[in-house]
Amino acid sequence: EVQLVESGGGLVQPGRSMKLSCAASGFTFSNYGMAWVRQAPTKGLEWVATISYDGSSTYYRDSVKGRFTISRDNAKSTLYLQMNSLRSEDTATYYCTREGLRASDYWGQGVMVTVSS
Amino acid sequence: DIQMTQSPSFLSASVGDRVTINCKASQNINRYLNWYQQKLGEAPKLLIYNANSLQTGIPSRFSGSGSGTDFTLTISSLQPEDVATYFCLQHNSWYTFGAGTKLELK
Repeated sequence: EVQLVESGGGLVQPGRSMKLSCAASGFTFSNYGMAWVRQAPTKGLEWVATISYDGSSTYYRDSVKGRFTISRDNAKSTLYLQMNSLRSEDTATYYCTREGLRASDYWGQGVMVTVSS
Repeated sequence: DIQMTQSPSFLSASVGDRVTINCKASQNINRYLNWYQQKLGEAPKLLIYNANSLQTGIPSRFSGSGSGTDFTLTISSLQPEDVATYFCLQHNSWYTFGAGTKLELK
């Protein structure tokens, strides 16, 4: 059974950093691209970043470019999102997703990030 | 950027009803449209991929149709366990999500 379990969220002050993790199991992690998707309170879902199966290619939405870094450790079957210079508008539930031929086919339950002083 | 307009935002229906949810893309996305179900407190679940392909393990009462700019998710006979929020995702050009439809039982 495919499982994606996010961790690392919580309350952080504006301008500070936070690192999210997503532990994957139930499939060969190194065969799949992965992504982060977020949903702000009372707002819709938005794609944040994607990484290729081997980590060689990464893509970001404009509003997080230069602040967020997506990475992966295939030996540990873990996806990461390093978030720097956090802003109030980054407050959201962050989901990790598996990316295959069917786009986002599996999702984690999400982890909440609150940026507030 | 491609915009996705999903309707309705809220839907109340009875067990056994036929339910339809729509997504309209701001430009041609071919068939690169997925539908998801999200129950309260759970991870989103893929129902339909590439407009009309049923994901493994999903009941056959769920179906998808459309191409180009207009897409529909249909539940042929609503069951109590279908109470959830449904949303679409276009993956023709990057990713854009619909705003979601909250489905309740009447």
